[in-house]
Amino acid sequence: AQSVTQLGSHVSVSEGALVLLRCNYSSSVPPYLFWYVQYPNQGLQLLLKYTSAATLVKGINGFEAEFKKSETSFHLTKPSAHMRDAAEYFCAVSYSSGTYKYIFGTGTRLKVLA
Amino acid sequence: GAVVSQHPSWVICKSGTSVKIECRSLDFQATTMFWYRQFPKQSLMLMATSNEGSKATYEQGVEKDKFLINHASLTLSTLTVTSAHPEDSSFYICSAQNNEQFFGPGTRLTVL
Repeated sequence: AQSVTQLGSHVSVSEGALVLLRCNYSSSVPPYLFWYVQYPNQGLQLLLKYTSAATLVKGINGFEAEFKKSETSFHLTKPSAHMRDAAEYFCAVSYSSGTYKYIFGTGTRLKVLA
Repeated sequence: GAVVSQHPSWVICKSGTSVKIECRSLDFQATTMFWYRQFPKQSLMLMATSNEGSKATYEQGVEKDKFLINHASLTLSTLTVTSAHPEDSSFYICSAQNNEQFFGPGTRLTVL
């Protein structure tokens, strides 16, 4: 069965510091991978997605993620954190099953310190 | 493009009543929509897959008679929480599939 693991339920970084949010997946077939951001009481906004094209994926708001098959990872990074990046981040995996069901990780709450 | 709306954005109801939540794809047609539930500080849990013109497919442990899903058109799916109880209080999020899933803004349900 497919699963997604996000290491670290809470991550704190200083403003201007590197952001690294970890995501590992388990899959016997190449997955589609997604990173979403959620602000309080709001829905999910897509940051970026991997769909078997380039392994380094650039998204919105300066975020990027690298698909590493050997490590079954899809970590999210941003070179310099802004206060507005404080939010909940979810990694998700999907596979072709006709309905493209998503499996979400448990989420990582990012706190940005002034 | 690919905008999904939900209505209402929040609702408060008394225990024992039923509540209907609408999910609409505003600028595309979606044969498949999904309903998720999110408890505070937790991840999204898929409740069911809504298929236009057919019965919804529920995830294990989700009561289909309690959470009624209707997908009567290619742009509208509804989730009705029947005989709501305080433990049904949660954040409900829908998504509509158009190659990938596009998520609605969520509905906060509070059952008193």
